Amino acid sequence: DAGVTQSPTHLIKTRGQQVTLRCSPKSGHDTVSWYQQALGQGPQFIFQYYEEEERQRGNFPDRFSGHQFPNYSSELNVNALLLGDSALYLCASSSREKWGQPQHFGDGTRLSIL
Amino acid sequence: TQLLEQSPQFLSIQEGENLTVYCNSSSVFSSLQWYRQEPGEGPVLLVTVVTGGEVKKLKRLTFQFGDARKDSSLHITAAQPGDTGLYLCAGARETSGSRLTFGEGTQLTVNP
Repeated sequence: DAGVTQSPTHLIKTRGQQVTLRCSPKSGHDTVSWYQQALGQGPQFIFQYYEEEERQRGNFPDRFSGHQFPNYSSELNVNALLLGDSALYLCASSSREKWGQPQHFGDGTRLSIL
Repeated sequence: TQLLEQSPQFLSIQEGENLTVYCNSSSVFSSLQWYRQEPGEGPVLLVTVVTGGEVKKLKRLTFQFGDARKDSSLHITAAQPGDTGLYLCAGARETSGSRLTFGEGTQLTVNP
């Protein structure tokens, strides 16, 4: 039973570019959440998707957008990259019907902006 | 705004010592989770506490949820080098679905 998988594991971009990160949730999970974790800090909630729609959003600008596909996988897109976007981007999956059950995290994508 | 404050931020101790990490908030959470994260990996769930006053034990780790469900603590007895890592507390509210609010983490180093 595969857990949450994220790709790529590492990515280097330059300022102004655009990036797409991908996430496949754990089998049986239908909800995907994205978090940004800056170095030395706790993860910050970006947004959450289920039923292919954004359901909740944290305090992030519109440069951050996402998508969820019918197979529950998800993408995180960031436009006009800034140096401050350098971080570990974590995807977490859960089941909407089983609130209170723990979220499962992937190992993240380390994004470096030069 | 960081709704969950963890302390201490850094902790370096010798093998065999005991330690406590605190997670405090002015807000009530429906549940609180503790994670451990190692470099290059995602957070791994250690425990979830949901009832005010609840105490859970996981081998040498003891977790407590405050009576008012605003704070929590993690106590490690006889720490070992393998306990080294970033410990994160995260709160959830039933009204916010599965969205988690994380503390800033406690970086624990256990020296042999």
